[in-house]
Parts: sequence; C-alpha cells; structure tokens
Amino acid sequence: QSALTQPASVSGSPGQSITISCTGTSSDVGAYNYVSWYQQHPGKVPKLMIYEINNRPSGVPDRFAGSKSGNTASLTISGLQAEDEADYYCISHTSSSTWVFGGGTKLTVL
Amino acid sequence: EVQLLESGGGLVQPGGSLRLSCAASGFTFSSFAMSWVRQAPGKGLEWVSGISGSGGSTYYADSVKGRFTISRDNSRNTLYLQMNSLRAEDTAVYYCAKARYDFWSALERWGQGTLVIVSS
Repeated sequence: QSALTQPASVSGSPGQSITISCTGTSSDVGAYNYVSWYQQHPGKVPKLMIYEINNRPSGVPDRFAGSKSGNTASLTISGLQAEDEADYYCISHTSSSTWVFGGGTKLTVL
Repeated sequence: EVQLLESGGGLVQPGGSLRLSCAASGFTFSSFAMSWVRQAPGKGLEWVSGISGSGGSTYYADSVKGRFTISRDNSRNTLYLQMNSLRAEDTAVYYCAKARYDFWSALERWGQGTLVIVSS
C-alpha cells in the first residue's frame, strides 16, 4: 500500500488561509469517507484535527476544515496563527482493511 | 480522562523479538478498536496494526504482516504488540491509539509512545 501524497511543505502568513492536499486512489481516499487529519508539533504526540472528511473533534477550532473531491482530500486552515505551525498528516482507510498515512506536510507560519 | 501508557520498548538486535504493551484507562476498553502506529526518527507516521474491541478481528500493514502480532486483554485493559524477526527499519517510536469507536473510525487518542531501536 503506497503512502498518500501530500506536499512536503506549505507556508502562509498570519491571518491567511492555506490548504494541504492529500491524494490517494480509488482504493482509499476515493472509496471511503474515512479520512482524518492529524497535527503534530515537534516532539509531541499527534492530535486528531479532522475525522471522516470534515468533522472536528471537540476543542478543535473551526478555523480547521476538511473536504474531499474524488481521490483527493484537503485540509484548509483559515486565519493562520503562529501555533498552527506543525506537521500535518492525512490518513485514509483502504480497501485492504488497512490504514495508510500521507507522507506529511510541514506548515510554516511566516 | 483517557490515558494510554506504552511500555516495553528498548534496544534489540536484528532478528530479535520484543513485546510492547499499552495500558489503557479512563474508558471502557473493550468497546473500542485500537491500533499501533510508528514513527521512525525524523520520518512520518506509519500505521502498523489494528484490532477490534473484542479482539476477534486483527489487521496488519504489509510491512509487518507475518512478523508482528497484535492482541488485547480486555480483562487487564491492555493492548499488546508482539514483534518478531525485527529489522533495522522497524526502529521507531511506537504509539498505541484508541479509535473513536470501531476499526474504521479515526484514532482519537494517542499514548506518549515507546522507542524501539533495532541495532547490533
């Protein structure tokens, strides 16, 4: 199972919006709504930010939003803040009854 | 409060074995699927294995199939990962993670991780 494709890095200024893409295939992202997004600060444990495409767990700001079109899922962060600087990972369920992560995207807040 | 505490990591030689444990508290352990996820030093996340709440269904990444075995003891609220035939590429921090409900749901809580180093 190949990893989902994410851009290695994205950047934005405070207050701006950015979008991180997560491209898979018709056997994973395109087949299911079981796509989640995680935020990981350096040396910290991953934190669930979005589940099932576009749902936010309690406590996650509504500046974080998820979407999907075809085989590509996306995470959009609006009103960028300094504390959003972190690594972001997508993950999708697959037709092989496994999970596959994206390679991760480093978000830099300029 | 949900708590997950991994243990059992350490230094092991290539070809060796190790058993990781994850002690869970703060929720009805048997009602939730669990997974192991690893992260090699400086690298991204890799899902390793998952198990249903009852323990009756198990799932593995191709990279560990046939070498690793996931299990759980619901009477002890503990998740395990038996790792055999270890390779250098298995070196990573291993996290246990609790699903929101069943295996297809997101991993909503993660432990702090335990480091496994495979080296001679």
